[in-house]
Amino acid sequence: EVQLLESGGGLVQPGGSLRLSCAASRFSFGAYAMTWVRQAPGKGLEWVSAVSASGSRTYYADSVKGRFTISRDNSKNTLYLQMNSLRVEDTAVYYCAKRDGVLAGDGFDIWGQGTVVTVSS
Amino acid sequence: QSVLTQPPSVSGAPGQRVTISCTGSNSNIGAVFNVHWYQQLPGTAPKLLIYDNNNRPSGVPDRFSGSKSGTSASLAITGLQAEDEADYYCQSYDSSLSAYVFGTGTKVTVL
Repeated sequence: EVQLLESGGGLVQPGGSLRLSCAASRFSFGAYAMTWVRQAPGKGLEWVSAVSASGSRTYYADSVKGRFTISRDNSKNTLYLQMNSLRVEDTAVYYCAKRDGVLAGDGFDIWGQGTVVTVSS
Repeated sequence: QSVLTQPPSVSGAPGQRVTISCTGSNSNIGAVFNVHWYQQLPGTAPKLLIYDNNNRPSGVPDRFSGSKSGTSASLAITGLQAEDEADYYCQSYDSSLSAYVFGTGTKVTVL
């Protein structure tokens, strides 16, 4: 079964850092763009960041630009999100997702189960 | 602040038809970008329900259908069932923001 499995979430103080990982299995990971989407408690979905299939191009929402860094290791079938200077408003469930095709307008067909990030003192 | 606007909630009795609207602008839905719909059951991750405006992934019942016109899109659920109670989100790409955008989300309640 095609699968994405996130890890690395936890409780961190404001200003701290966390690194999320997303392990992919049973599909050609290196052939697809990947993304991170988050959902604050009781709120809707918010796109966070995306990376091209090769890893050469990265994209960020304004809310995280300059603080978060997305990367991938295609040899390990793993996606990462380095989160620095964390704020209380970054508290959310973070999902990784696979983009369905090669176009910017393609949707996200495979999602992980999510990992919880809590930023609090 | 979400770029795509959806009604906060819709409801219907079992067997009825409900529709969810998704209103955007000329830089997203009104441009060349497709609209996708996701279903999020309570406590679970989102699931792709409709892709490229009106296509269903394998395994999605044909009770679900999508459409797009101008700067808006719609999701229709016919023959509403109790298991359809969930949150539904539309999604597209915005060329002005150079960002993926989600709708505000709609909670579907089966009466």
